[in-house]
Amino acid sequence: NAGVTQTPKFRVLKTGQSMTLLCAQDMNHEYMYWYRQDPGMGLRLIHYSVGEGTTAKGEVPDGYNVSRLKKQNFLLGLESAAPSQTSVYFCASSTPAVGVNEQFFGPGTRLTVL
Amino acid sequence: GQQVMQIPQYQHVQEGEDFTTYCNSSTTLSNIQWYKQRPGGHPVFLIQLVKSGEVKKQKRLTFQFGEAKKNSSLHITATQTTDVGTYFCAGDFGNEKLTFGTGTRLTIIP
Repeated sequence: NAGVTQTPKFRVLKTGQSMTLLCAQDMNHEYMYWYRQDPGMGLRLIHYSVGEGTTAKGEVPDGYNVSRLKKQNFLLGLESAAPSQTSVYFCASSTPAVGVNEQFFGPGTRLTVL
Repeated sequence: GQQVMQIPQYQHVQEGEDFTTYCNSSTTLSNIQWYKQRPGGHPVFLIQLVKSGEVKKQKRLTFQFGEAKKNSSLHITATQTTDVGTYFCAGDFGNEKLTFGTGTRLTIIP
C-alpha cells in the first residue's frame, strides 16, 4: 500500500516549456487535490476533483490544467511554464465520510522554472 | 472569501518550553484539522476537531476548538527536538475542500 505517490520528485524547466505532474493513490479515495507551497504562503489549492471525470478550480488555478480520467490518478499540467510557477507541488487525497476526513499527502514535486 | 489566519509565522523556543499556535476564521467552520510538516517532508494529519468547545489531547499536544467554531489553537507542553516542523491548521467550511492557514514554523534551541 503505497498511499499517495507523485512523479517526478524534481524538475527544472525553462520558461515556456510544458510538463505534466502525475499523482496516484491506491486508497480508493474519491477526492484528490493539487496544492502549491511557497515560503510564507502555506498550502494554496490549485485544482481539485471530487470524483472520476470531475475537476474544479481552487484558489490559484491560473496557468494550470488538470484531468481525472481514472479514479486513482490526478494529473496537473503546465502548458507554458513561468518563473512564478517555481514552487513545491503537493498532491493529496481523501474520502468523504461521516467522521474524520483527513487528507493524505504525497511526498511533493520540487519544480524550478528558469 | 473563506480565509484562515494563523499566528505566529515563526516561533523559536528553548527545549522544554511551551509552544502555542493560533488559527482564526472569519466565518463558522464545519470542522478544523491540524497537520504537521517536518523540514523537507509533506504535511501529515494530526487531528480533527468538530464540536464547539472541543478539547483533545495527544500526549504533550492539546488542541482546542472555540465555542463559536471560528478559532482553534494547538499547544505543545515541554517541547522536544522531535517537535520541530511547521504546524498548519486547515479549515473545513463544508465545501469539499480545506483552506490551510499559513503555518507556524517551530524551531527548538537545544
